Amino acid sequence: GAVVSQHPSWVICKSGTSVKIECRSLDFQATTMFWYRQFPKQSLMLMATSNEGSKATYEQGVEKDKFLINHASLTLSTLTVTSAHPEDSSFYICSASGTGKDTQYFGPGTRLTVL
Amino acid sequence: GQNIDQPTEMTATEGAIVQINCTYQTSGFNGLFWYQQHAGEAPTFLSYNVLDGLEEKGRFSSFLSRSKGYSYLLLKELQMKDSASYLCAAYNQGGKLIFGQGTELSVKP
Repeated sequence: GAVVSQHPSWVICKSGTSVKIECRSLDFQATTMFWYRQFPKQSLMLMATSNEGSKATYEQGVEKDKFLINHASLTLSTLTVTSAHPEDSSFYICSASGTGKDTQYFGPGTRLTVL
Repeated sequence: GQNIDQPTEMTATEGAIVQINCTYQTSGFNGLFWYQQHAGEAPTFLSYNVLDGLEEKGRFSSFLSRSKGYSYLLLKELQMKDSASYLCAAYNQGGKLIFGQGTELSVKP
């Protein structure tokens, strides 16, 4: 149980384009989903927290207009990187937790490369 | 402020025991997670300690001392496949995970 999927696994895009990443909880209802970014040899940095049906809460320094998060259902959250630039190239990982549960289960991650 | 410290890298021999330490300073502390992460993959859950003491789960054990702001992950009977990064993460009352930088463990034959 507690499986989280992400799509796509990797994506290469041109500078200035937008990229959408999907995060799905496959066998449980995820009341809360989290989006992280990880640069090479660094730890995970929380970007934002989203609860189903409400606006995401962004961490300090994360531009909400650039990283659009939608948590439309209890099993799906999306992260859209708008007007991507090479410095946005990173490993984006989502996690999900169920109602009243502390443990976060992570998706397999999406490797974004912006040319 | 919030701070999670763990060694950057460790090396151990196959079949041995290794202990990875983690110290933390965070407001609203609720518990301590350990995750394993292989290169290019997402973290996988290993353990979650809320109360002081040792919790054993097969070859892996995790310890927490809330008064000392200290935790460790103990790996026994090391296998080559245990080579990975081990992430210590403090869970706070806001429901957020604050990750340490990770400890890169290399298991050698």
